[in-house]
Amino acid sequence: EAGVAQSPRYKIIEKRQSVAFWCNPISGHATLYWYQQILGQGPKLLIQFQNNGVVDDSQLPKDRFSAERLKGVDSTLKIQPAKLEDSAVYLCASSLGGTNTDTQYFGPGTRLTVL
Amino acid sequence: EDQVTQSPEALRLQEGESSSLNCSYTVSGLRGLFWYRQDPGKGPEFLFTLYSAGEEKEKERLKATLTKKESFLHITAPKPEDSATYLCAVQAVYSGGGADGLTFGKGTHLIIQP
Repeated sequence: EAGVAQSPRYKIIEKRQSVAFWCNPISGHATLYWYQQILGQGPKLLIQFQNNGVVDDSQLPKDRFSAERLKGVDSTLKIQPAKLEDSAVYLCASSLGGTNTDTQYFGPGTRLTVL
Repeated sequence: EDQVTQSPEALRLQEGESSSLNCSYTVSGLRGLFWYRQDPGKGPEFLFTLYSAGEEKEKERLKATLTKKESFLHITAPKPEDSATYLCAVQAVYSGGGADGLTFGKGTHLIIQP
């Protein structure tokens, strides 16, 4: 079974530029998450989708971050404009989705460096 | 606010030297406690889910246990390939909206020397 796919794996941009990350979840997984992992810390949830609807975006900095999941499969996360403090690894995870506790499976992440 | 604290931050062991990693948590209502392993440059890899106090799960040299306030990851006779960062996370009881993101600790960086 193929895992969660993310691209690009690495991205370097100047501050105030924009950037977009792409995620393809495990086939059949209804729930998709984006996490931000700053060096030396654990992942922090940014946004959760159930199919193509947003379930939780309470920790997403909405003045500069946006995300969408059109058609309930792939998802993109965008930052515009980027700040130095956005340098981090952006992880996508997916789960089957349901009333019981589901395992979240993570992709390899996109490492963003903002100069 | 849900909180997870892991200790120690880093641990260096000799091959074969058993030890335990600690995860202390506060959560409004626990649905599940998760352990993940993360290798450099990779995403977290799922290890265990624990649901209730007293529960234990094992996988090869790893054993996870859960109490009402903390979880332990016991590593028995570790090998160099067990070197990684071990992350603990909690998932809170449904708030009704279906939000079930994980709250992670900072992790324990484990090094096993040959």
